[in-house]
Amino acid sequence: DIVMTQSHKFMSTSVGDRVSITCKASQDVSTAVAWYQQKPGQSPKLLIYSASYRYTGVPDRFTGSGSGTDFTFTISSVQAEDLAVYYCQQHYSTPTFGSGTKLEIK
Amino acid sequence: QVQLQQSGAELVRPGTSVKVSCKASGYAFTNYLIEWVKQRPGQGLEWIGVINPGSGGTNYNEKFKGKATLTADKSSSTAYMQLSSLTSDDSAVYFCARSTTTCFDVWGAGTTVTVSS
Repeated sequence: DIVMTQSHKFMSTSVGDRVSITCKASQDVSTAVAWYQQKPGQSPKLLIYSASYRYTGVPDRFTGSGSGTDFTFTISSVQAEDLAVYYCQQHYSTPTFGSGTKLEIK
Repeated sequence: QVQLQQSGAELVRPGTSVKVSCKASGYAFTNYLIEWVKQRPGQGLEWIGVINPGSGGTNYNEKFKGKATLTADKSSSTAYMQLSSLTSDDSAVYFCARSTTTCFDVWGAGTTVTVSS
Protein backbone atom coordinates (compact mmCIF):
# COMPACT_ATOMS: atom_id res chain seq x y z
CA ASP A 1 0.00 0.00 0.00
CA ILE A 2 1.04 3.58 -0.60
CA VAL A 3 1.76 5.37 2.69
CA MET A 4 0.77 9.02 2.98
CA THR A 5 2.81 10.82 5.64
CA GLN A 6 1.60 14.02 7.26
CA SER A 7 4.56 14.93 9.41
CA HIS A 8 2.77 17.45 11.61
CA LYS A 9 0.14 15.97 13.87
CA PHE A 10 -0.70 19.44 15.23
CA MET A 11 -0.28 22.95 13.89
CA SER A 12 -1.07 26.11 15.82
CA THR A 13 -1.94 29.31 14.02
CA SER A 14 -3.77 32.60 14.45
CA VAL A 15 -6.76 34.05 12.64
CA GLY A 16 -5.55 35.78 9.49
CA ASP A 17 -2.32 33.79 9.22
CA ARG A 18 -1.25 31.69 6.26
CA VAL A 19 -0.72 28.03 7.07
CA SER A 20 0.52 25.12 4.96
CA ILE A 21 0.11 21.41 5.66
CA THR A 22 2.34 18.92 3.90
CA CYS A 23 1.80 15.35 2.81
CA LYS A 24 4.38 12.97 1.36
CA ALA A 25 3.55 9.82 -0.60
CA SER A 26 5.76 6.72 -0.32
CA GLN A 27 5.79 6.46 -4.12
CA ASP A 28 4.80 8.55 -7.13
CA VAL A 29 1.03 9.13 -7.18
CA SER A 30 1.03 11.74 -9.96
CA THR A 31 -1.67 14.27 -8.95
CA ALA A 32 -4.07 11.70 -7.52
CA VAL A 33 -4.40 13.40 -4.15
CA ALA A 34 -7.41 14.84 -2.35
CA TRP A 35 -7.65 16.88 0.84
CA TYR A 36 -10.47 16.61 3.37
CA GLN A 37 -11.53 18.68 6.36
CA GLN A 38 -13.10 17.02 9.39
CA LYS A 39 -14.56 19.21 12.11
CA PRO A 40 -15.28 17.75 15.57
CA GLY A 41 -18.25 15.40 15.51
CA GLN A 42 -18.72 15.67 11.74
CA SER A 43 -17.94 13.58 8.70
CA PRO A 44 -15.02 14.55 6.45
CA LYS A 45 -15.67 17.11 3.73
CA LEU A 46 -13.89 17.24 0.38
CA LEU A 47 -11.93 20.44 -0.18
CA ILE A 48 -9.38 19.68 -2.92
CA TYR A 49 -9.18 16.92 -5.54
CA SER A 50 -6.60 15.98 -8.16
CA ALA A 51 -4.03 17.82 -6.00
CA SER A 52 -5.07 21.35 -6.92
CA TYR A 53 -8.73 21.55 -7.93
CA ARG A 54 -11.07 23.20 -5.48
CA TYR A 55 -14.36 21.35 -4.94
CA THR A 56 -17.66 23.10 -5.59
CA GLY A 57 -18.43 25.75 -3.01
CA VAL A 58 -15.05 25.60 -1.27
CA PRO A 59 -13.74 29.08 -0.36
CA ASP A 60 -10.78 30.25 -2.41
CA ARG A 61 -8.61 30.66 0.68
CA PHE A 62 -8.08 26.88 0.44
CA THR A 63 -5.57 25.74 -2.19
CA GLY A 64 -3.65 22.59 -3.00
CA SER A 65 -0.46 21.96 -4.93
CA GLY A 66 2.08 19.29 -5.72
CA SER A 67 2.67 16.22 -7.84
CA GLY A 68 4.63 13.01 -7.62
CA THR A 69 5.33 12.44 -3.94
CA ASP A 70 5.09 15.89 -2.32
CA PHE A 71 1.87 17.76 -1.73
CA THR A 72 0.87 20.92 0.10
CA PHE A 73 -2.47 22.21 1.34
CA THR A 74 -2.60 25.92 2.16
CA ILE A 75 -5.08 28.18 3.88
CA SER A 76 -4.19 31.71 2.84
CA SER A 77 -5.94 33.51 5.70
CA VAL A 78 -7.09 31.23 8.51
CA GLN A 79 -10.57 31.78 9.91
CA ALA A 80 -11.84 30.62 13.30
CA GLU A 81 -14.15 28.11 11.60
CA ASP A 82 -11.13 26.38 10.02
CA LEU A 83 -10.46 24.60 13.33
CA ALA A 84 -10.45 20.98 12.15
CA VAL A 85 -8.35 17.96 11.26
CA TYR A 86 -7.10 17.90 7.68
CA TYR A 87 -6.39 14.64 5.86
CA CYS A 88 -4.66 13.95 2.58
CA GLN A 89 -5.67 10.89 0.56
CA GLN A 90 -4.22 9.22 -2.50
CA HIS A 91 -6.39 7.46 -5.05
CA TYR A 92 -3.62 6.45 -7.44
CA SER A 93 -4.08 2.91 -6.18
CA THR A 94 -6.05 1.36 -3.29
CA PRO A 95 -7.06 4.50 -1.35
CA THR A 96 -5.02 5.43 1.69
CA PHE A 97 -5.22 8.45 3.98
CA GLY A 98 -2.63 10.44 5.83
CA SER A 99 -2.81 10.36 9.64
CA GLY A 100 -4.24 13.87 9.79
CA THR A 101 -3.08 17.31 10.92
CA LYS A 102 -5.10 19.06 13.60
CA LEU A 103 -5.22 22.79 13.08
CA GLU A 104 -5.46 24.69 16.34
CA ILE A 105 -6.39 28.36 16.46
CA LYS A 106 -4.50 30.43 19.04
CA GLN B 1 -29.49 17.75 -3.13
CA VAL B 2 -27.08 14.83 -3.08
CA GLN B 3 -27.27 13.01 0.24
CA LEU B 4 -26.18 9.76 1.83
CA GLN B 5 -28.31 8.84 4.84
CA GLN B 6 -26.81 6.25 7.16
CA SER B 7 -28.57 4.04 9.66
CA GLY B 8 -28.50 4.73 13.37
CA ALA B 9 -26.03 3.78 16.06
CA GLU B 10 -25.70 0.10 16.98
CA LEU B 11 -24.78 -1.58 20.25
CA VAL B 12 -23.90 -5.20 19.53
CA ARG B 13 -22.48 -8.19 21.38
CA PRO B 14 -19.03 -9.61 20.64
CA GLY B 15 -19.10 -12.45 18.15
CA THR B 16 -22.25 -11.25 16.41
CA SER B 17 -22.76 -9.35 13.15
CA VAL B 18 -24.15 -5.96 12.25
CA LYS B 19 -25.43 -4.47 8.99
CA VAL B 20 -25.08 -0.75 8.33
CA SER B 21 -27.06 0.95 5.57
CA CYS B 22 -26.38 3.99 3.40
CA LYS B 23 -29.33 5.36 1.40
CA ALA B 24 -28.48 7.59 -1.54
CA SER B 25 -30.68 10.37 -2.86
CA GLY B 26 -30.42 13.27 -5.28
CA TYR B 27 -28.39 11.49 -7.95
CA ALA B 28 -28.31 8.36 -10.13
CA PHE B 29 -27.23 5.66 -7.68
CA THR B 30 -25.63 3.41 -10.26
CA ASN B 31 -23.47 6.17 -11.76
CA TYR B 32 -21.09 6.42 -8.80
CA LEU B 33 -19.18 4.08 -6.53
CA ILE B 34 -19.87 3.80 -2.79
CA GLU B 35 -16.85 3.62 -0.49
CA TRP B 36 -16.75 2.63 3.19
CA VAL B 37 -14.34 4.12 5.72
CA LYS B 38 -13.65 3.27 9.37
CA GLN B 39 -12.68 5.76 12.07
CA ARG B 40 -11.86 4.60 15.57
CA PRO B 41 -12.29 7.14 18.40
CA GLY B 42 -9.64 9.84 18.17
CA GLN B 43 -8.00 8.10 15.21
CA GLY B 44 -7.63 8.62 11.48
CA LEU B 45 -9.49 7.31 8.46
CA GLU B 46 -9.13 3.75 7.19
CA TRP B 47 -10.49 2.59 3.85
CA ILE B 48 -12.55 -0.62 4.06
CA GLY B 49 -13.69 -1.19 0.51
CA VAL B 50 -15.79 -0.07 -2.42
CA ILE B 51 -18.84 -1.31 -4.29
CA ASN B 52 -20.06 -0.47 -7.77
CA PRO B 53 -23.85 -0.36 -7.30
CA GLY B 54 -24.44 -0.84 -11.01
CA SER B 55 -22.54 -4.09 -11.37
CA GLY B 56 -22.32 -5.23 -7.75
CA GLY B 57 -18.57 -5.51 -8.15
CA THR B 58 -16.51 -5.00 -4.98
CA ASN B 59 -12.93 -4.39 -3.93
CA TYR B 60 -11.70 -4.69 -0.35
CA ASN B 61 -8.78 -3.56 1.74
CA GLU B 62 -6.94 -6.82 2.45
CA LYS B 63 -7.26 -6.07 6.16
CA PHE B 64 -11.07 -6.21 5.95
CA LYS B 65 -11.49 -9.30 3.78
CA GLY B 66 -13.57 -11.73 5.78
CA LYS B 67 -14.67 -8.95 8.14
CA ALA B 68 -16.73 -6.70 5.86
CA THR B 69 -19.20 -7.63 3.13
CA LEU B 70 -20.48 -4.90 0.82
CA THR B 71 -23.75 -5.12 -1.07
CA ALA B 72 -26.10 -2.73 -2.84
CA ASP B 73 -29.81 -2.69 -3.70
CA LYS B 74 -30.51 -0.71 -6.85
CA SER B 75 -34.26 -0.72 -6.28
CA SER B 76 -33.93 1.27 -3.07
CA SER B 77 -30.65 3.10 -3.88
CA THR B 78 -29.16 1.70 -0.70
CA ALA B 79 -25.70 0.33 -0.01
CA TYR B 80 -24.98 -1.99 2.89
CA MET B 81 -21.96 -3.08 4.84
CA GLN B 82 -22.12 -6.17 7.03
CA LEU B 83 -19.44 -6.65 9.67
CA SER B 84 -19.07 -10.14 11.09
CA SER B 85 -17.47 -11.81 14.14
CA LEU B 86 -17.38 -8.50 15.94
CA THR B 87 -14.76 -7.68 18.56
CA SER B 88 -13.93 -4.54 20.50
CA ASP B 89 -11.52 -3.59 17.69
CA ASP B 90 -14.56 -3.10 15.46
CA SER B 91 -16.00 -0.39 17.70
CA ALA B 92 -15.79 2.69 15.51
CA VAL B 93 -17.67 5.17 13.36
CA TYR B 94 -18.28 3.86 9.86
CA PHE B 95 -18.80 6.28 7.00
CA CYS B 96 -20.10 5.68 3.52
CA ALA B 97 -19.03 8.07 0.78
CA ARG B 98 -19.84 8.56 -2.88
CA SER B 99 -16.80 8.42 -5.07
CA THR B 100 -15.69 9.39 -8.52
CA THR B 101 -12.38 8.41 -10.07
CA THR B 102 -10.71 11.31 -8.27
CA CYS B 103 -12.16 11.66 -4.77
CA PHE B 104 -14.82 10.89 -2.19
CA ASP B 105 -17.09 13.85 -2.84
CA VAL B 106 -20.11 13.28 -0.61
CA TRP B 107 -20.06 11.58 2.79
CA GLY B 108 -22.71 10.18 5.06
CA ALA B 109 -22.94 11.36 8.67
CA GLY B 110 -21.48 8.13 9.97
CA THR B 111 -22.80 5.17 11.96
CA THR B 112 -21.38 4.43 15.39
CA VAL B 113 -20.94 0.73 16.10
CA THR B 114 -20.18 -0.19 19.70
CA VAL B 115 -19.21 -3.77 20.47
CA SER B 116 -19.76 -4.59 24.12
CA SER B 117 -21.11 -7.40 26.24
